[in-house]
Amino acid sequence: GAVVSQHPSWVICKSGTSVKIECRSLDFQATTMFWYRQFPKQSLMLMATSNEGSKATYEQGVEKDKFLINHASLTLSTLTVTSAHPEDSSFYICSARGGHHQPQHFGDGTRLSIL
Amino acid sequence: AQTVTQSQPEMSVQEAETVTLSCTYDTSESDYYLFWYKQPPSRQMILVIRQEAYKQQNATENRFSVNFQKAAKSFSLKISDSQLGDAAMYFCAYRSSTSGTYKYIFGTGTRLKVLA
Repeated sequence: GAVVSQHPSWVICKSGTSVKIECRSLDFQATTMFWYRQFPKQSLMLMATSNEGSKATYEQGVEKDKFLINHASLTLSTLTVTSAHPEDSSFYICSARGGHHQPQHFGDGTRLSIL
Repeated sequence: AQTVTQSQPEMSVQEAETVTLSCTYDTSESDYYLFWYKQPPSRQMILVIRQEAYKQQNATENRFSVNFQKAAKSFSLKISDSQLGDAAMYFCAYRSSTSGTYKYIFGTGTRLKVLA
């Protein structure tokens, strides 16, 4: 149980395009989803917390207009990197949490490469 | 603000031996959760073990166990009978029980190498 699916696993696109990453909880309802960014050989950096039906809460220094997050249902959250540039290239990971006492369950991550 | 410190950037262990990864944290809260996650080369984060701060008994999951010292704010992970598949980055994480945000604070990670 507690499976989180993230899609796509790898995307390469040209500078200036927008990229959407999906995060789905497959066998539980995720009241809260999280989006992280991870640079090589570093820890996970929380970008934003997303609660179903409400606006995401962004961490300090994360551009809201650059990283659009939508959490329209209890099983789906999306991260859209708008007008992506090479510096946005990174590994993006989502996680989802069910009940109050439940841990976060992570997706497989998305490797984003902007040319 | 809470912080999590993993002071060992890299550790090595011989296959079948035991290794302990250290984690310390700082908090003024009395109720919280602590986790160990494993990130293999595939880069998926896998939950290894969790501990509720109000529980005195150390959590165990098969070959994985923790030594939770609340007063010392220490939460080490012991891996017994190490296997090649245990090679990965290990992250310690803290989560408040009362803040309502449910977000994790991660340590910087320890890379574990398992030698055949």
